[in-house]
Amino acid sequence: ETGVTQTPRHLVMGMTNKKSLKCEQHLGHNAMYWYKQSAKKPLELMFVYSLEERVENNSVPSRFSPECPNSSHLFLHLHTLQPEDSALYLCASSQVSGISRSTEAFFGQGTRLTVV
Amino acid sequence: KNQVEQSPQSLIILEGKNCTLQCNYTVSPFSNLRWYKQDTGRGPVSLTIMTFSENTKSNGRYTATLDADTKQSSLHITASQLSDSASYICVVSHSNQAGTALIFGKGTTLSVSS
Repeated sequence: ETGVTQTPRHLVMGMTNKKSLKCEQHLGHNAMYWYKQSAKKPLELMFVYSLEERVENNSVPSRFSPECPNSSHLFLHLHTLQPEDSALYLCASSQVSGISRSTEAFFGQGTRLTVV
Repeated sequence: KNQVEQSPQSLIILEGKNCTLQCNYTVSPFSNLRWYKQDTGRGPVSLTIMTFSENTKSNGRYTATLDADTKQSSLHITASQLSDSASYICVVSHSNQAGTALIFGKGTTLSVSS
């Protein structure tokens, strides 16, 4: 099994649909992340998730909601999205220890989302 | 509404120069404020964590300030290096009955050129 696995790889959804993106890591890491990669824009950190802290990110619209049931799984629940939400959504994980220390982040291959 | 606003959105400076990044927040009740550095390909790392009673905290060439009255924070980088090129994200923490929550800014993208 690869380190970080995302499903589905491609998703087309209407603006009224509800869907979920799934991420699973087999690296034993203690932190997981959701990123958004839009065309011609820097990678945007959406959510940081560890079991110690619930994450609320007001810079991300509420139509995106993360869920982390355990240290190996991360979900991104999507509802009533807009066409501008079409992008590549990347999941990553790393091992964080203490303050200011993080290993290299391992990224999944991403989910290409198209909102119609 | 709990919000964190950062400025500028992006910044380009020459190697060796200093720069200051700004963070304004409306989070309440306030617990602490962190500055993260997001390097390409790496997980975000916390540079400083400041509580309500702390005004200044340094971590090497990084110095963060906090004014809890005006709800403003700044991150000052001295003698910039090429390796400082990254996104810097201000994150404010608040606690309530539901637990601790982190409110993210959108970040400032810093590019240091030679």
